Amino acid sequence: DGGITQSPKYLFRKEGQNVTLSCEQNLNHDAMYWYRQDPGQGLRLIYYSQIVNDFQKGDIAEGYSVSREKKESFPLTVTSAQKNPTAFYLCASSIDPGLLYGYTFGSGTRLTVV
Amino acid sequence: RKEVEQDPGPFNVPEGATVAFNCTYSNSASQSFFWYRQDCRKEPKLLMSVYSSGNEDGRFTAQLNRASQYISLLIRDSKLSDSATYLCVVLSGGGADGLTFGKGTHLIIQP
Repeated sequence: DGGITQSPKYLFRKEGQNVTLSCEQNLNHDAMYWYRQDPGQGLRLIYYSQIVNDFQKGDIAEGYSVSREKKESFPLTVTSAQKNPTAFYLCASSIDPGLLYGYTFGSGTRLTVV
Repeated sequence: RKEVEQDPGPFNVPEGATVAFNCTYSNSASQSFFWYRQDCRKEPKLLMSVYSSGNEDGRFTAQLNRASQYISLLIRDSKLSDSATYLCVVLSGGGADGLTFGKGTHLIIQP
């Protein structure tokens, strides 16, 4: 079955630690996105990539980094510079960079700072 | 600043009733519109796209009013399984910086 796989489902981070969230898709989609969702809040765009080896900052990129070395993979690193990283992180992809068909989402990673 | 506004609810509705909610958007140049459904602690899933002429999918009807810059979702004969948060989603700017999401409307169908 084609889809987007995010791992891990739950992640605990200690203060000052960098962690990397995995996002892999086998849908052959060019465009991929990372969002963050906080309770009672809408999804906020962190980074996006419309093609391999290229990515752009979203609205809240500070404290995060990404790479896009393969079409299938778009990992997100939450660095120690992100002061409030506890949130639900969602990876999405789209068959069309123009987004006329919306997104397909992964099942998310819930990150908690301990 | 692009914005999508929704009434957060919750809307408490008896099973079998009809419920409707609206969403307003600020960017008059927005091109595409969607309703997503999100269950508690799960990822959003596409419910339906919203077309200019309005569209229906079973018990669900979506409407777009460009002049007043709002979209609506109507659910007829509501089921317990319709309980979820409904996200209004708008595409602006040709997709260059992603979709814009509302905060969602929480719907609770009561037996």
